[in-house]
Amino acid sequence: SAVISQKPSRDICQRGTSLTIQCQVDSQVTMMFWYRQQPGQSLTLIATANQGSEATYESGFVIDKFPISRPNLTFSTLTVSNMSPEDSSIYLCSVVEGNGYTFGSGTRLTVV
Amino acid sequence: GENVEQHPSTLSVQEGDSAVIKCTYSDSASNYFPWYKQELGKGPQLIIDIRSNVGEKKDQRIAVTLNKTAKHFSLHITETQPEDSAVYFCAASDLNAGNMLTFGGGTRLMVKP
Repeated sequence: SAVISQKPSRDICQRGTSLTIQCQVDSQVTMMFWYRQQPGQSLTLIATANQGSEATYESGFVIDKFPISRPNLTFSTLTVSNMSPEDSSIYLCSVVEGNGYTFGSGTRLTVV
Repeated sequence: GENVEQHPSTLSVQEGDSAVIKCTYSDSASNYFPWYKQELGKGPQLIIDIRSNVGEKKDQRIAVTLNKTAKHFSLHITETQPEDSAVYFCAASDLNAGNMLTFGGGTRLMVKP
């Protein structure tokens, strides 16, 4: 199965700033998913990113706040923009293959 | 879209006892049902999964059962150990279509020594 390298693993950021999270996959995958896990909560899908097209956002998430890039079949970035303390969460990328899903190790973001 | 509900939200058992966590799903198109274990400060780790063409799957102390008609599936952990203490998530998807995973709300399992 695919191996995902997600960076950074954690960061502490000032409110009002932006953070870009990167996911690099060791194989070509069509779909990549970005999830958010707020403290003590389950994983919620932010958006689905396909190469060569705009990401598809779930209800409650907008492109201006969470812009996503997918320049090729092995890489994607998620930016958390104009951060507030409510954005403090774990952010995870994921890919799907024929035999299941693989997750990155997550980015633990704290906004102060 | 898919909706996955998970119960209980917390579960406390004595070491050596069994633990059962149950999930229901709403979309009959879902055909893939994984279970994840998440320890504090870490990402979710797949512990077992089942596809819709199978009713039960077992891996040592862990088993998962699926009832497609009732749209529910369960995780069974036997002979629990303190290291089983973690948060467990069920999920569902139409894997054949490469769709996203929808997660249940999670169960915090505490195994008391």
